[in-house]
Amino acid sequence: AQSVTQLDSHVSVSEGTPVLLRCNYSSSYSPSLFWYVQHPNKGLQLLLKYTSAATLVKGINGFEAEFKKSETSFHLTKPSAHMSDAAEYFCVVTPGGSQGNLIFGKGTKLSVKP
Amino acid sequence: DTEVTQTPKHLVMGMTNKKSLKCEQHMGHRAMYWYKQKAKKPPELMFVYSYEKLSINESVPSRFSPECPNSSLLNLHLHALQPEDSALYLCASSQVSGNSPLHFGNGTRLTVT
Repeated sequence: AQSVTQLDSHVSVSEGTPVLLRCNYSSSYSPSLFWYVQHPNKGLQLLLKYTSAATLVKGINGFEAEFKKSETSFHLTKPSAHMSDAAEYFCVVTPGGSQGNLIFGKGTKLSVKP
Repeated sequence: DTEVTQTPKHLVMGMTNKKSLKCEQHMGHRAMYWYKQKAKKPPELMFVYSYEKLSINESVPSRFSPECPNSSLLNLHLHALQPEDSALYLCASSQVSGNSPLHFGNGTRLTVT
């Protein structure tokens, strides 16, 4: 069975400090992994995706994530937080195959303090 | 701005009303989705259309009726809803390939009174 666990429901950082949002997955197959961001009253925006190419994936707005198969992790990082990064972040896994078979983590709310 | 457009942005309806949510995309995607999202929760899949045919129905009550008139449009017809159906309804589209990322609209905020 496939699953995804976001280890923190809420992360708070100061502006200009690094961001780390943690995600662990479980998949019987070679998974595809995504991070999405959702600002208040908005839809989900794709930040980055891993689909079995390079293990270090760069996304939009300075975010990146590293796929570590040995640790079954796909943590999201950013060197320096900006106030506009405050949002809900979802880690998503899909084992592929069946269309729409996305498995969402419960989300991590990122707060950025001035 | 997203490339998936949803209308209306907000909708308030009574339990006896009939209304429709609309979604449009022009990215050439042949898979389209409806998700329901409650506050502080991840989205939950409702329906998937692939090549304009319904491919997944996640045991959604019949008071929700999807329709895909063509490859660019997706509707969700609502009838006799309950207050617990109040939520953010998200439309998404993607290429049909199983690991293609979804592109989401900004959603319709539905309140059932």
